Amino acid sequence: DIVMTQSPDSLAVSLGERATINCKSSQSILYSSNNKNYLAWYQQRPGQPPKLLIYWASTRESGVPDRFSGSGSGTDFTLTISSLRAEDVAVYYCQQYYGTPTFGGGTKVEIK
Amino acid sequence: EVQLVESGGGLVQPGGSLRLSCAAFGFTFSSYGVNWVRQAPGKGLEWVSYISSSGITIYYADSVKGRFTISRDNAKNSLYLQMNSLRAEDTAVYYCARNRCSDSSCYSDSWGQGTLVTVSS
Repeated sequence: DIVMTQSPDSLAVSLGERATINCKSSQSILYSSNNKNYLAWYQQRPGQPPKLLIYWASTRESGVPDRFSGSGSGTDFTLTISSLRAEDVAVYYCQQYYGTPTFGGGTKVEIK
Repeated sequence: EVQLVESGGGLVQPGGSLRLSCAAFGFTFSSYGVNWVRQAPGKGLEWVSYISSSGITIYYADSVKGRFTISRDNAKNSLYLQMNSLRAEDTAVYYCARNRCSDSSCYSDSWGQGTLVTVSS
């Protein structure tokens, strides 16, 4: 199985500041035939199910604010929240779907 | 509006069985592959099983293989998870999640609210 490692485990960011979450896969999840990275990002607010934010590593889901962006390729990926808002307090998970789906351990984002 | 509603969770003794259901609304259920994903209390997400739109292709996580069976009834717009030989480590909220793509290598764009399964004596 492909292992997904997120960092940090948690971070506290001031309102309006940038939050950056990293995700590393144990092998490349870039499929050469279509040049797509098989990586998604989800947001899970307390007591709620996960919500899809980003897929194909950098495509924002419809309705997701543009302060959320995804980047990276191969084995190293980043989710950036450009200007943190109170409603962004949540746990964020990366997931690879190149093989049997696996999730990162999650990153808890809090307000400083 | 796409909606997935899980049911069937509850308290069960170790070694027991439980059948979860997921009812789908607001989309053509028979056109989508679906997953079961679970989350132990205070822990992260763990993919459990996948079934293709037709029901022909099925995958399981190693942790549940041989104990859990996924199935679907497209006529009833429903997904199921039969769980046998339950263990304490199966305690979790179980979510059903729809895949957007036509094949198994896909992200999940809609999730239910989940149903809690507690395995304890």
